Amino acid sequence: GAVVSQHPSWVICKSGTSVKIECRSLDFQATTMFWYRQFPKQSLMLMATSNEGSKATYEQGVEKDKFLINHASLTLSTLTVTSAHPEDSSFYICSARDQGLISPNEQFFGPGTRLTVL
Amino acid sequence: RKEVEQDPGPFNVPEGATVAFNCTYSNSASQSFFWYRQDCRKEPKLLMSVYSSGNEDGRFTAQLNRASQYISLLIRDSKLSDSATYLCVVNTFSGGYNKLIFGAGTRLAVHP
Repeated sequence: GAVVSQHPSWVICKSGTSVKIECRSLDFQATTMFWYRQFPKQSLMLMATSNEGSKATYEQGVEKDKFLINHASLTLSTLTVTSAHPEDSSFYICSARDQGLISPNEQFFGPGTRLTVL
Repeated sequence: RKEVEQDPGPFNVPEGATVAFNCTYSNSASQSFFWYRQDCRKEPKLLMSVYSSGNEDGRFTAQLNRASQYISLLIRDSKLSDSATYLCVVNTFSGGYNKLIFGAGTRLAVHP
């Protein structure tokens, strides 16, 4: 149980285009999902916390107009990187929290999406 | 100062060796603590939670010292398959949410 999927697993795009990444909880409902970004040899950095049916909470320094988050259902959150540039190239990972578990703070991670912007 | 600090390594050890990783965190209000393992180009996976009394899971032992804000992970009898990056992770309540704060990781390479 507690499986989180992401799609696509990798994407290459031209500078200036927008890219949408999907994060799904496959066998549980996730009222809260998290989006992280990881640059090579660096730690995962939390970008935003996504709550079903409400606006996402962005971490300091993360542009909410550039990284659009939609959490329209209890099993799906999407991250759209708008007008992507080469510096946005990174490994984007989502996680979801299963509120029904004994350890509700445990997060389950998706396999990540590797974005390369040319 | 980073919220969670780790020695980046790499630690290069032979099979069968014992290796210890250390981690410090800056927020004294942090509530829970974990070690995650991350393989190259993959997502992090929970290795174990860390409790104040110390806890063991097979060859892995984790310790927490809240007074010193220090966390450790000991791996005994290292296997080739233990080669990975080990992430020290702290759960902190901030801005109305529980958030995981990740260290940059310590790389372990176990060789034959």
